[in-house]
Amino acid sequence: KNQVEQSPQSLIILEGKNCTLQCNYTVSPFSNLRWYKQDTGRGPVSLTIMTFSENTKSNGRYTATLDADTKQSSLHITASQLSDSASYICVVTPGGSYIPTFGRGTSLIVHP
Amino acid sequence: NAGVTQTPKFRVLKTGQSMTLLCAQDMNHEYMYWYRQDPGMGLRLIHYSVGEGTTAKGEVPDGYNVSRLKKQNFLLGLESAAPSQTSVYFCASSYGTSNDEQFFGPGTRLTVL
Repeated sequence: KNQVEQSPQSLIILEGKNCTLQCNYTVSPFSNLRWYKQDTGRGPVSLTIMTFSENTKSNGRYTATLDADTKQSSLHITASQLSDSASYICVVTPGGSYIPTFGRGTSLIVHP
Repeated sequence: NAGVTQTPKFRVLKTGQSMTLLCAQDMNHEYMYWYRQDPGMGLRLIHYSVGEGTTAKGEVPDGYNVSRLKKQNFLLGLESAAPSQTSVYFCASSYGTSNDEQFFGPGTRLTVL
């Protein structure tokens, strides 16, 4: 069964600090991996997409990495801001499918 | 562009009542999806549609029905609501290839008493 596991479940950091969120998946065959940001009370919004051949991709202060051999991805947030407080969801789509598998998300709280 | 919109935003039902959630998108997307999100769990796919007039079951379809009579609209129906259907429901749409981003609506919070 395709699975996406995220860690930690929740994280509290101080404003200005960096943090890294982890995603492990068993989805096979692999097509792509997306990181979504979900603010409280709103729908998820895509941050990055990574395909099999990509190792790193940045979007402003967000940098995603992918190791397709170990089936791991990380999302690094640099110089965190209060507005980064949200749930971050890792989503993996199998090859030949348009039905993604969602992780349970990491809840990030940034304190001033 | 409004993107993906959902109505209503909130609803309280009694067990056994029925209701329809409406999702509309103005991006000319082929694919549309209905998810539910429960505390501590990832988004779970209820039903999806790959084009006007077509629907298919997702991971948790029991107790729900859907219709896609127009390309821009995707309706989710609960014929006889149960407390287990208390959840936040999200609609999403995409162009259709596996690399395409899904655009999500703001969600509908449903409580079944």
